[in-house]
Amino acid sequence: SQTIHQWPATLVQPVGSPLSLECTVEGTSNPNLYWYRQAAGRGLQLLFYSVGIGQISSEVPQNLSASRPQDRQFILSSKKLLLSDSGFYLCAWSPPALPGRFGSGTRLTVV
Amino acid sequence: GENVEQHPSTLSVQEGDSAVIKCTYSDSASNYFPWYKQELGKRPQLIIDIRSNVGEKKDQRIAVTLNKTAKHFSLHITETQPEDSAVYFCAASWEGGSEKLVFGKGMKLTVNP
Repeated sequence: SQTIHQWPATLVQPVGSPLSLECTVEGTSNPNLYWYRQAAGRGLQLLFYSVGIGQISSEVPQNLSASRPQDRQFILSSKKLLLSDSGFYLCAWSPPALPGRFGSGTRLTVV
Repeated sequence: GENVEQHPSTLSVQEGDSAVIKCTYSDSASNYFPWYKQELGKRPQLIIDIRSNVGEKKDQRIAVTLNKTAKHFSLHITETQPEDSAVYFCAASWEGGSEKLVFGKGMKLTVNP
């Protein structure tokens, strides 16, 4: 069966420090992969999506970047975190009809 | 691109009452409309979905309706229970394309015992 793994679960980082969040998918090949962010009490904002290795589409201009070095690996990065980068980051994959579409999330607090 | 509007943003009901959440979408090419339930601190979980070739779908106490002409869809929860309390998100997507989901802003449902 297909599973999606995301880590770490929580992260506290100082302003100006780098960030790397990792997501991997098992049990499928060539998935579409996504990074969403959810600010406290807010909706889900699509940040990046990827339809294949090295193919990244950015949905909104921001302080973050994404990379897909392998078929089932999706990484969210930042060189220098801002306070406004705090939030709940969710990795996801297609197809959207699967109940286990989202990873368990990373709660990032920038201090 | 697709834009999904969801309302109301909050809803409080008494246990046993019904709750309705409404969403509208802008892109007529969207053909897949899932609903997610997110409990506090957890990931969103798919609870029901509907595709554009049907107008209504039911699963026990929840049902979803779709009006393609008006480009709106709704989630109906009957006989609400306290464990239904959560944030509910609607979303729209085009299956067969990039399949990226565009979410509404969510609705916080509180079911009072």
